[in-house]
Amino acid sequence: DADVTQTPRNRITKTGKRIMLECSQTKGHDRMYWYRQDPGLGLRLIYYSFDVKDINKGEISDGYSVSRQAQAKFSLSLESAIPNQTALYFCATSAFGEQFFGPGTRLTVL
Amino acid sequence: TQLLEQSPQFLSIQEGENLTVYCNSSSVFSSLQWYRQEPGEGPVLLVTVVTGGEVKKLKRLTFQFGDARKDSSLHITAAQPGDTGLYLCAGVKGGSQGNLIFGKGTKLSVKP
Repeated sequence: DADVTQTPRNRITKTGKRIMLECSQTKGHDRMYWYRQDPGLGLRLIYYSFDVKDINKGEISDGYSVSRQAQAKFSLSLESAIPNQTALYFCATSAFGEQFFGPGTRLTVL
Repeated sequence: TQLLEQSPQFLSIQEGENLTVYCNSSSVFSSLQWYRQEPGEGPVLLVTVVTGGEVKKLKRLTFQFGDARKDSSLHITAAQPGDTGLYLCAGVKGGSQGNLIFGKGTKLSVKP
């Protein structure tokens, strides 16, 4: 079984809809991250969490919110999706510097 | 402003050729990592370099960290189709709580 799982893997939604992307990990890591990847722009950090009570904004947090429900679960929400949030979203965990990524969620906002 | 500049952005070569990918910055990094990402998957760590001038080898891949810890390179010898993918460099700056800053990536295609 994968150490970092993301659901859903693909999602098409409409402008203005609320959507939640979920991430679960079995690695036992305290640190978790949400990134978005756009062609030609690399990976950009949205939010990160060092433990259940510690959540921090990343480089591009506007329009997003997160919830750390447990050490193993970190969800990303788009309160009112807009087309420029169409991207590939990755969750990651880390320990001792190495980051372990989930398989990604491809989100399309029409 | 992109802190880590990767070049080239795209690279298409024949099997057996050698190639080098560069990751440059005007900033000093406490460490630098290289990841490889295949379609439909998340990035996977290849190597971490932490000391200026450090060279690490992983089979046909050679990674180097610049003496000033501002740049890095990835050299692949005798590339194979299985090397195809997106190569990302990522740096850790001092005081950044260990968060990674990613370059935009180099998309490598190795044709048989």
